[in-house]
Amino acid sequence: QSALTQPPSASGSPGQSVTISCTGTSSDIGGYNYVSWYQQHPGKSPKLMIYEVNKRPSGVPDRFSGSKSGNTASLTVSGLQAEDEADYYCNSYAGSSTWVFGGGTKVTVL
Amino acid sequence: QVQLQESGPGQVKPSQTLSLTCTVSGDSISTAYAYWTWIRQPPGKGLEWIGYSYDSGRTHYTPSLKSRAFISIDASKNQFSLTLNSVTAADTAVYYCARATTRLAPFDPWGQGTLVTVSS
Repeated sequence: QSALTQPPSASGSPGQSVTISCTGTSSDIGGYNYVSWYQQHPGKSPKLMIYEVNKRPSGVPDRFSGSKSGNTASLTVSGLQAEDEADYYCNSYAGSSTWVFGGGTKVTVL
Repeated sequence: QVQLQESGPGQVKPSQTLSLTCTVSGDSISTAYAYWTWIRQPPGKGLEWIGYSYDSGRTHYTPSLKSRAFISIDASKNQFSLTLNSVTAADTAVYYCARATTRLAPFDPWGQGTLVTVSS
C-alpha cells in the first residue's frame, strides 16, 4: 500500500485558480469514489474540504471543487484568497477497510 | 458538536511502548457505525492513516503497522486509545485522533494532535 502521489507545491495569484492532482492506482482512487481532500494550516489540524470526490461539507466555500478521472483525483481552488495558502492532502479508500493519504501539496498564494 | 482531545506522554524511549488516549465529547463512543481513528504526521511530512476501531472493539490497521499497533475503546470513559509497540525514531510524529461516522465516511472532526518524540 503506497502513498498517493501529489505535487509538492502549487501556486497562483489572488483571484486565479489552482488545481492539485492526486495520483493513485486502480486499488484505491481508481477503484472507489471515496476520495477526500483536507486543508492544513501550519500548526493546525487538518480540515475536511471535499469528500466522496466532489462533495463539500457545510461551511466550505464553493470555490473548492473536486473531480476524478481514472486513477487521478483533483482539487481545484477557484478565486484564490490569501487564507487558502496551506497544505492540502488527498485521501482515498484502498479496500479491505484501509485508507491511504497523499504526500501533501503546499499551495502558495503569490 | 463533537470534539476530540488527544493525551499522553510527549516522549518515549526507543524500543518502548507508545500509549495515547483520545477523549470524545459531544458524542457517545458507542454510537452505531462510528469509526474511531488514529492518524499520524511525522514532523514536516505527510499524513499516515494508522487504523480504526468500531463496533465495540473490531479493528483495522494499515499493513505497515499491523504487527505493532493496537486500538481499543473504553466506553465507560468515552475514550479510545492507541498503543504502538517497539517504537523507533521513525515513530516520532504528531498523532491525531478523528472520527468517521460510517466505514466509508471522511475523517471529521479531528483532535488538535499531540507530538510524541521517540528519543533516549
